[in-house]
Amino acid sequence: QQQVKQSPQSLIVQKGGISIINCAYENTAFDYFPWYQQFPGKGPALLIAIRPDVSEKKEGRFTISFNKSAKQFSLHIMDSQPGDSATYFCAAIPLNSGTYKYIFGTGTRLKVLA
Amino acid sequence: DTGVSQNPRHKITKRGQNVTFRCDPISEHNRLYWYRQTLGQGPEFLTYFQNEAQLEKSRLLSDRFSAERPKGSFSTLEIQRTEQGDSAMYLCASSLVVAGGHEQFFGPGTRLTVL
Repeated sequence: QQQVKQSPQSLIVQKGGISIINCAYENTAFDYFPWYQQFPGKGPALLIAIRPDVSEKKEGRFTISFNKSAKQFSLHIMDSQPGDSATYFCAAIPLNSGTYKYIFGTGTRLKVLA
Repeated sequence: DTGVSQNPRHKITKRGQNVTFRCDPISEHNRLYWYRQTLGQGPEFLTYFQNEAQLEKSRLLSDRFSAERPKGSFSTLEIQRTEQGDSAMYLCASSLVVAGGHEQFFGPGTRLTVL
């Protein structure tokens, strides 16, 4: 059963534009939501993460928006650059349950055109 | 390099053969995780260790799969009697779980191809 739904599957953005990737979850026990960036041939690397007690977190050009009532969260990449071209995964984890296994979305392949 | 390392990076084997992968976590990390990633999908959890104890196993981990972390440092993942459906990227991650720390750092993965 897929517990984290991610969209779109692929995204093409012009340089300088805003990239938006969305995720929705079902399990209300999830309480930590990281985004990972993966380049071809590499393992995923943590980009930014949020806890449900805040609605937004910003780090540089990357922002997570979180809507607890809708059980949705999204990644915004401002001023997108060709170097941002990668696959992005959202994930969720129920930290308070004592398990540490991440549930990942299916990924979004982002291409930023120069 | 102080990141998570995995060996080999690529493995091609014939159906029915056994394969073993190794993961060396970040040295002070006490938790180690194995994930499997197939093309176009996100990583799927397989199992994790706290120090040398294997605490959780996914239903994806059939009897042909076994993982060990004998001294609480490096870990091995063995697949016996490989099947074509085992072809995937096998990712290892580690974390330091103290005072709420839980960020998982991933290695580059081992890509397995079963012919």
